[in-house]
Amino acid sequence: QSALTQPASVSGSPGQSITISCTGTSSDVGLYNYVSWYQQHPDKAPKLMIYDVSNRPSGVSDRFSGSKSGNTASLTISGLQTEDEADYYCSSHTSSSTRVFGTGTAVFVL
Amino acid sequence: EVQLEQSGAEVKKPGTSVKISCKVSGYTFTDYYMHWVRQAPGKGLEWLGLFDPDDGETIFAEKFQGRVTMTADTSTDTAFVELSSLKSEDTAVYYCATGIAGRLQPLPYYFTSWGQGTLVTISS
Repeated sequence: QSALTQPASVSGSPGQSITISCTGTSSDVGLYNYVSWYQQHPDKAPKLMIYDVSNRPSGVSDRFSGSKSGNTASLTISGLQTEDEADYYCSSHTSSSTRVFGTGTAVFVL
Repeated sequence: EVQLEQSGAEVKKPGTSVKISCKVSGYTFTDYYMHWVRQAPGKGLEWLGLFDPDDGETIFAEKFQGRVTMTADTSTDTAFVELSSLKSEDTAVYYCATGIAGRLQPLPYYFTSWGQGTLVTISS
């Protein structure tokens, strides 16, 4: 099972919107709506931001939204804020009942 | 409050094994999967596998098949992961994680609560 493919980095100015892609296969992202996104600040454990492709857990800002088309899922952060600067990882359930993470994307707020 | 408390840092020699514990509180241990995830220094997240404390079922990432063991002691609400035949590439922070939403709804495909991480260093 190969890692899902994400861009290495994405940057934006405060207030702007950015989108991070997460490309898998028809055996994971394309097959299930069990896609999630995690935010990780340095030396911290990851935090769930989006699950079931587009649902936000309680307490997560509505500036974070998710979507999926075919084998590619996306995370959009609107109204970018300095505290959004972090690493972001997607994850998917797979046809082998395993889980797989994306390669990770560093978000920079310029 | 859901809490996962992991054992302390380990230094191991290549070829040996390491066993990490994760003691939980704030929920019924046997009602939710326990996942193990690792992160090598400066690298991304990597899923090792999951353990079902209710029936002992395990599912492992293919990469770790034959080298990883996941168990639990339900009398102390503690999960364990053991990795054998250690190599330098196994140097990483190892996390336990479970998926529990509000009102203790299970989220078996996700990781909502994480341990603090256990640094395992492989060095000769």
